[in-house]
Amino acid sequence: AQSVTQLDSHVSVSEGTPVLLRCNYSSSYSPSLFWYVQHPNKGLQLLLKYTSAATLVKGINGFEAEFKKSETSFHLTKPSAHMSDAAEYFCVVHASKLTFGTGTRLQVTL
Amino acid sequence: NAGVTQTPKFQVLKTGQSMTLQCAQDMNHEYMSWYRQDPGMGLRLIHYSVGAGITDQGEVPNGYNVSRSTTEDFPLRLLSAAPSQTSVYFCASSYGGQIYEQYFGPGTRLTVT
Repeated sequence: AQSVTQLDSHVSVSEGTPVLLRCNYSSSYSPSLFWYVQHPNKGLQLLLKYTSAATLVKGINGFEAEFKKSETSFHLTKPSAHMSDAAEYFCVVHASKLTFGTGTRLQVTL
Repeated sequence: NAGVTQTPKFQVLKTGQSMTLQCAQDMNHEYMSWYRQDPGMGLRLIHYSVGAGITDQGEVPNGYNVSRSTTEDFPLRLLSAAPSQTSVYFCASSYGGQIYEQYFGPGTRLTVT
């Protein structure tokens, strides 16, 4: 069995401040983990992926995530938020199948 | 490349009507899938296909049919629409060996009254 939990449904940050979107997972097998981003009225786009290589993964637009097996976490971070980062972010786990988290809406204010 | 295209963008149906949501991709991807997205529930897999002529059920298949006669097209049919099928529907595709790296279409917003 596998599951993914996004700990915050909504996160608000000021432009220029760090972003942290939290994701915990459970899986009976060694999973692959991903973050997808969905901008308003658009489809989902792959942001970054972890597939058992380096535990610190860099993605597009300055985002990165660290796979921590001991904490079963895969949190998404960015050092400095930009207005264009406002979107919904989905954490996804893949072991036997793809399972999507419920999403975290990131709001960026001036 | 157009990527993954979906039509229509918006649709309103009455309860009991049927319709087909179209999905096409021009990347020669083997794997295609349909998801529905509902508030607070993430994406849930409806049906998927690993190649032309092969389809299988996902997490929430009831009330939907699919077929895959070509590599490019993967239509989703609603047999008798119900208000519970009001949702945003996404089609996605990927290479068969990398189903996690999916390319999504822009979505179809369906309302059933």
